[in-house]
Amino acid sequence: GNSVTQMEGPVTLSEEAFLTINCTYTATGYPSLFWYVQYPGEGLQLLLKATKADDKGSNKGFEATYRKETTSFHLEKGSVQVSDSAVYFCALRTQGGSEKLVFGKGTKLTVNP
Amino acid sequence: NAGVTQTPKFRVLKTGQSMTLLCAQDMNHEYMYWYRQDPGMGLRLIHYSVGEGTTAKGEVPDGYNVSRLKKQNFLLGLESAAPSQTSVYFCASSYSRTEETQYFGPGTRLLVL
Repeated sequence: GNSVTQMEGPVTLSEEAFLTINCTYTATGYPSLFWYVQYPGEGLQLLLKATKADDKGSNKGFEATYRKETTSFHLEKGSVQVSDSAVYFCALRTQGGSEKLVFGKGTKLTVNP
Repeated sequence: NAGVTQTPKFRVLKTGQSMTLLCAQDMNHEYMYWYRQDPGMGLRLIHYSVGEGTTAKGEVPDGYNVSRLKKQNFLLGLESAAPSQTSVYFCASSYSRTEETQYFGPGTRLLVL
């Protein structure tokens, strides 16, 4: 079946540190890949996405590259801010039929000043 | 645009009581979803709808029923609440099958005693 595995959290960083949150997936076919972010007390928001191999999604300084050979979609940011503190979810959507997203368990990021 | 709204924001139920969670979207989206979020579990799909008058089961449908009588509304019902249904419930919507981005509501926190 389809599944997403994210690195265990929580992750605590100092402001301006480099961030990597690992995400790997198992899927049949060629899924679209997403990162969603959930700020405290809010619903999820789409952060970025990539729909085919070697695509790079980017938004708000975050980036992730769709790596088919390693089935990965790691999230990176060069310099985190306190306002980036949130829970980050990796997700996939398979092509050609299912309208459903499969989410990872989420990684909580805390950025300290 | 209000986007996706959910009512109520918070509710406490006793075991065996029933309730209905309401999700409304004003974006003319065809697809709507109900998820539950539990610590360490990520988001799991309960039920979804691909259009007015249609519903389908997701990953964890037992103990829940849904209805989509109007395109803009998607109701989630608990006929006889159980403590295992204590969770945060999120509604989401997306425009179409080819538009993959899902837009989430702010969530409903439900406590079943």
